[in-house]
Amino acid sequence: NAGVTQTPKFQVLKTGQSMTLQCAQDMNHNSMYWYRQDPGMGLRLIYYSASEGTTDKGEVPNGYNVSRLNKREFSLRLESAAPSQTSVYFCASRLTLSYEQYFGPGTRLTVT
Amino acid sequence: GENVEQHPSTLSVQEGDSAVIKCTYSDSASNYFPWYKQELGKGPQLIIDIRSNVGEKKDQRIAVTLNKTAKHFSLHITETQPEDSAVYFCAASIRSEYGNKLVFGAGTILRVKS
Repeated sequence: NAGVTQTPKFQVLKTGQSMTLQCAQDMNHNSMYWYRQDPGMGLRLIYYSASEGTTDKGEVPNGYNVSRLNKREFSLRLESAAPSQTSVYFCASRLTLSYEQYFGPGTRLTVT
Repeated sequence: GENVEQHPSTLSVQEGDSAVIKCTYSDSASNYFPWYKQELGKGPQLIIDIRSNVGEKKDQRIAVTLNKTAKHFSLHITETQPEDSAVYFCAASIRSEYGNKLVFGAGTILRVKS
């Protein structure tokens, strides 16, 4: 049981480039989340998916898009990266009948 | 919307002493309050949580207290050890049309000096 996995672990982009962060969970969880973590600001929700086929905006969605590809996978896309998107990105998942969220190891993204 | 404030931002204690981290929240409808520990280079991991129908919960050296009237909750770590050094986050749940979400505090860096 790998839990929540994220790829890549590290990424450097130039301003304007695009990329997709991948997340997968093998716990049969219904809900999945994308957060960004910045110093002194905790974890802020970007997008989430309560179940396969549904997505909704979180606190800081601008500049991002998501795809819930199937029950296991939830990807985050940056269409045109900006330096303000330099951050550590975490994916999390949750079973519907539980409040607990399980986090992946994170992706450290730098946009120059 | 929900706002969660967490204090202090950094906390240094001597090994064996107690550490207390406090959080306040704004949405009276919140009913679930988890605490996460994040070690360097890793994702946050749940260490303890409390529901709104309970005032206190303990798990070995860790305890959480909740005061719903005052809208604040606290994490207590007793007999601190060097391996307790990490960043700790509190959170409060909110319900939305599309499911439950968590709003996190800004985090507390705990350093346990040996």
